[in-house]
Amino acid sequence: NAGVTQTPKFQVLKTGQSMTLQCAQDMNHNSMYWYRQDPGMGLRLIYYSASEGTTDKGEVPNGYNVSRLNKREFSLRLESAAPSQTSVYFCASSEVPSGTGGYTFGSGTRLTVV
Amino acid sequence: DAKTTQPPSMDCAEGRAANLPCNHSTISGNEYVYWYRQIHSQGPQYIIHGLKNNETNEMASLIITEDRKSSTLILPHATLRDTAVYYCIVRDPAGGTSYGKLTFGQGTILTVHP
Repeated sequence: NAGVTQTPKFQVLKTGQSMTLQCAQDMNHNSMYWYRQDPGMGLRLIYYSASEGTTDKGEVPNGYNVSRLNKREFSLRLESAAPSQTSVYFCASSEVPSGTGGYTFGSGTRLTVV
Repeated sequence: DAKTTQPPSMDCAEGRAANLPCNHSTISGNEYVYWYRQIHSQGPQYIIHGLKNNETNEMASLIITEDRKSSTLILPHATLRDTAVYYCIVRDPAGGTSYGKLTFGQGTILTVHP
């Protein structure tokens, strides 16, 4: 029972490089989310996908793009990484977009942009 | 979402019950109380939620006062693995603006001692 799986766990990028963070869930959840967590800033929503085929911006979408590849997978792409994007990124999923029953999180990707 | 107040830290002996309080005096009628925790270097973990009635699951119990202005999360038999930051969140899951939104406050650092 893997839950939410994120890859990679760690990544160092140079400014201007691009990369894609991968996320997959095996709970047949309809909704998926990407967050970033910075010290003193709490958890901030980047993008979410309420259901397969839809994506919407969250609180801090600038500099990111997402793809809901299928019901299981939701990827986050940084087209041109900047030092301000150094953060810990979490993917999450929920049965319904309201998250009434709670959100299930992955273990995170620690990204450093130099 | 209503603001919550939690003690910054608490200690508990292994095997004893851990009782974590949360004040949410401005909670509105549609808002639920949610508890999450975050173990160091891991993603947040959903624990339990409730609206009015007390709730229990395999992880914990949630006691909500009759006026709903405060609540207590109870870990009945704390273990060393329960050492984490515990977040009390009040949110109304209805409506598109709430999708994915989790506003973590400072939380309570629970340390379980042998």
